[in-house]
Amino acid sequence: DAGVIQSPRHEVTEMGQEVTLRCKPISGHNSLFWYRQTMMRGLELLIYFNNNVPIDDSGMPEDRFSAKMPNASFSTLKIQPSEPRDSAVYFCASSKGGEDGYGYTFGSGTRLTVV
Amino acid sequence: QKEVEQNSGPLSVPEGAIASLNCTYSDRGSQSFFWYRQYSGKSPELIMFIYSNGDKEDGRFTAQLNKASQYVSLLIRDSQPSDSATYLCAVRKRFGAGTRLTVKP
Repeated sequence: DAGVIQSPRHEVTEMGQEVTLRCKPISGHNSLFWYRQTMMRGLELLIYFNNNVPIDDSGMPEDRFSAKMPNASFSTLKIQPSEPRDSAVYFCASSKGGEDGYGYTFGSGTRLTVV
Repeated sequence: QKEVEQNSGPLSVPEGAIASLNCTYSDRGSQSFFWYRQYSGKSPELIMFIYSNGDKEDGRFTAQLNKASQYVSLLIRDSQPSDSATYLCAVRKRFGAGTRLTVKP
């Protein structure tokens, strides 16, 4: 299995631009999570999907952030417009059995820099 | 109060010693507890999970859970320099800030 695949690995964009991060979960995993990691705030949950349905989006910072999961093999996280404070590493993770499953497999992450 | 709290460290132990990492959580209804290891510049990787009170051993790693005290710990026996990393405690989908461990040769 190729694991959780995220793209792009690195993204540098100017403030105000739209950014789209992509994730392909492990086949057969029914839960998908988007996290953001910074030195100051650690690993923060942004949104959790189960069977392609958003279950918990309480961590989405504001209306500038949106996430979709149109099918079991693809999810996007969009930031529009982007701001310098959005600079972070964004991780996608997937698991079997929901949030209480057998642990999560993380992708390699997308390092986002907004200048 | 944070949902998952860890001593931020850093923690430094000599090679061959036991490293002890601790974590407390606030949600008494939590059923699943995880430890992840994250090397610098890499993504977190799962090393242990525990669901029941008591100890769970896997090689050099032992996870301990005490639901009454809302406390989870990870012991690493015979620590090796390759164990140097940040260890993240997770309760369901919430993560602690992590404890940076350095094992000195």
